[in-house]
Amino acid sequence: GENVEQHPSTLSVQEGDSAVIKCTYSDSASNYFPWYKQELGKRPQLIIDIRSNVGEKKDQRIAVTLNKTAKHFSLHITETQPEDSAVYFCAASTYRGGADGLTFGKGTHLIIQP
Amino acid sequence: NAGVTQTPKFRILKIGQSMTLQCAQDMNHNYMYWYRQDPGMGLKLIYYSVGAGITDKGEVPNGYNVSRSTTEDFPLRLELAAPSQTSVYFCASSYSLGGSQETQYFGPGTRLLVL
Repeated sequence: GENVEQHPSTLSVQEGDSAVIKCTYSDSASNYFPWYKQELGKRPQLIIDIRSNVGEKKDQRIAVTLNKTAKHFSLHITETQPEDSAVYFCAASTYRGGADGLTFGKGTHLIIQP
Repeated sequence: NAGVTQTPKFRILKIGQSMTLQCAQDMNHNYMYWYRQDPGMGLKLIYYSVGAGITDKGEVPNGYNVSRSTTEDFPLRLELAAPSQTSVYFCASSYSLGGSQETQYFGPGTRLLVL
């Protein structure tokens, strides 16, 4: 089955700086890669996703890049703000005409230092 | 829309007891999922369903059962609770016409403690 590795486990950046979180996946058939943000005690919430036919996607301060050859994808957050502090999870899914759920990384605790 | 709802929010079980975690969605989504999240870890798929009457195992199905009698509801049953089942359980749903994976929306979670 799919295996998703996520790094780093903790990332501390100064407010206003950029943050980058990286993930690798093992199944070359995976074709959907969402990123979720989870605040303490809350549910995961989708912040951005990318499909295998796209190399990059941007939404305001958040961007995701995908390298299918290397089987890795990354989350980029620019101009970080205190409200960006949370745990971020990457995930991968292989859709073959029927949903088989998401395989998640172990998460990155992003800390924004004032 | 209420989205995805889960009950109860928190429950303490004794070893060997059974319980059902409830999940409902009012978005007319065809796909529903159950995940568990252990402390400091990512979510792991327990079971999923692509429609009423159809369920399938995920990565960690042992000790759990599900049913999907309606589009809206997807209960998760724990039989003979064990300490290893202490976790936060999230239900999720999504909609797909069969062409691609779509956004999964998560419920607020059920925190389960087995003592």
